[in-house]
Amino acid sequence: DADVTQTPRNRITKTGKRIMLECSQTKGHDRMYWYRQDPGLGLRLIYYSFDVKDINKGEISDGYSVSRQAQAKFSLSLESAIPNQTALYFCATSDPTNSGAGANVLTFGAGSRLTVL
Amino acid sequence: AQSVTQPDIHITVSEGASLELRCNYSYGATPYLFWYVQSPGQGLQLLLKYFSGDTLVQGIKGFEAEFKRSQSSFNLRKPSVHWSDAAEYFCAVGPGGGKLIFGQGTELSVKP
Repeated sequence: DADVTQTPRNRITKTGKRIMLECSQTKGHDRMYWYRQDPGLGLRLIYYSFDVKDINKGEISDGYSVSRQAQAKFSLSLESAIPNQTALYFCATSDPTNSGAGANVLTFGAGSRLTVL
Repeated sequence: AQSVTQPDIHITVSEGASLELRCNYSYGATPYLFWYVQSPGQGLQLLLKYFSGDTLVQGIKGFEAEFKRSQSSFNLRKPSVHWSDAAEYFCAVGPGGGKLIFGQGTELSVKP
């Protein structure tokens, strides 16, 4: 099994629908992240969580919300999806107990491709 | 503002040729620096990382990168490219805490 698992891998939905993307990890890492990838823009941080009680907005949080249900689970919701939220979404984890740059190494899931019509 | 620029959107090289992917960053202090690779349909995999010490960093799959503070650059190199290296490559910088700023990505194609 993958260290970081994202579901669904692909989803097509319509404008205005509520969508939840789920992420679970077996790494035992405290820190989890949601990034969005758009062609030509690289990856941009949506939300991040350093532990179950800690949720922080990233660069592009508008239109999104998150829930950290447990150390291993971090879900991303789009309350009312719109077409410009069509993108590839990545969940990632990191282990702050690693030293130096190692503490900032992200382990990524395989991605969830969302299409909003 | 903090930013990362990968000037080359798409590069094509012949198999066996050398490769250099460019990365320039704008940051207030010495950041953590990373190169990741994304194969089609896959997540991102770490190639190498740098924060301090020797400015030439070795990574996986035969890749290396050199940090040049005076040029605010962290270019990725490989002496001999293999067809399996075809992928998208991302440079990233971070202040710590895992919150990375990614470049736009460079897509690498390999000609037989």
